Amino acid sequence: NAGVTQTPKFQVLKTGQSMTLQCAQDMNHEYMSWYRQDPGMGLRLIHYSVGAGITDQGEVPNGYNVSRSTTEDFPLRLLSAAPSQTSVYFCASSYSGYTEAFFGQGTRLTVV
Amino acid sequence: AQTVTQSQPEMSVQEAETVTLSCTYDTSESDYYLFWYKQPPSRQMILVIRQEAYKQQNATENRFSVNFQKAAKSFSLKISDSQLGDAAMYFCAYRPFGSNYKLTFGKGTLLTVNP
Repeated sequence: NAGVTQTPKFQVLKTGQSMTLQCAQDMNHEYMSWYRQDPGMGLRLIHYSVGAGITDQGEVPNGYNVSRSTTEDFPLRLLSAAPSQTSVYFCASSYSGYTEAFFGQGTRLTVV
Repeated sequence: AQTVTQSQPEMSVQEAETVTLSCTYDTSESDYYLFWYKQPPSRQMILVIRQEAYKQQNATENRFSVNFQKAAKSFSLKISDSQLGDAAMYFCAYRPFGSNYKLTFGKGTLLTVNP
């Protein structure tokens, strides 16, 4: 049971480049979400999904796109990377709205 | 909007001693969950303990316990018999009951354990 798997673990992008952060879970969880962690800011919610085909914005959605075509996968897309998107990104999943979140190992993204 | 405040950016404790990390939150909801997550240098987010707001009894997990004061909107974490492996960043988090999944985190407290 792998839990929540994020790839890649590290990434360096140039300003304006696009990329997709991958997130997959094998626990059949309906709820998935993306957070970014910045020094002194804690974790802030970017986007979340309550099931396949259903997504919504969190606290800091600008510059990010998501889709949820399957229960297992919830990719996060950066269409045109900016230095302000340098951060550590976490994907999390939860069985329901009543249970705790399980987190992936995080992706450290640097935009130069 | 809900907010979570951790007023101690850093704390330190001697090995085998007890330390308490503070957390306060603001919400108009009556039912919700509160969590403490631990983030060691490996970056992994690890659930330490959870508390349901409708339960009056404070949650405990081995050496970890909470002091949940609903009226004061306070949720502190007590670590007893501190170990070197407890050194980490600790985050307090809030989640409304049955929500469409939105965790609100505090900014974290960095705990150092001195041998």
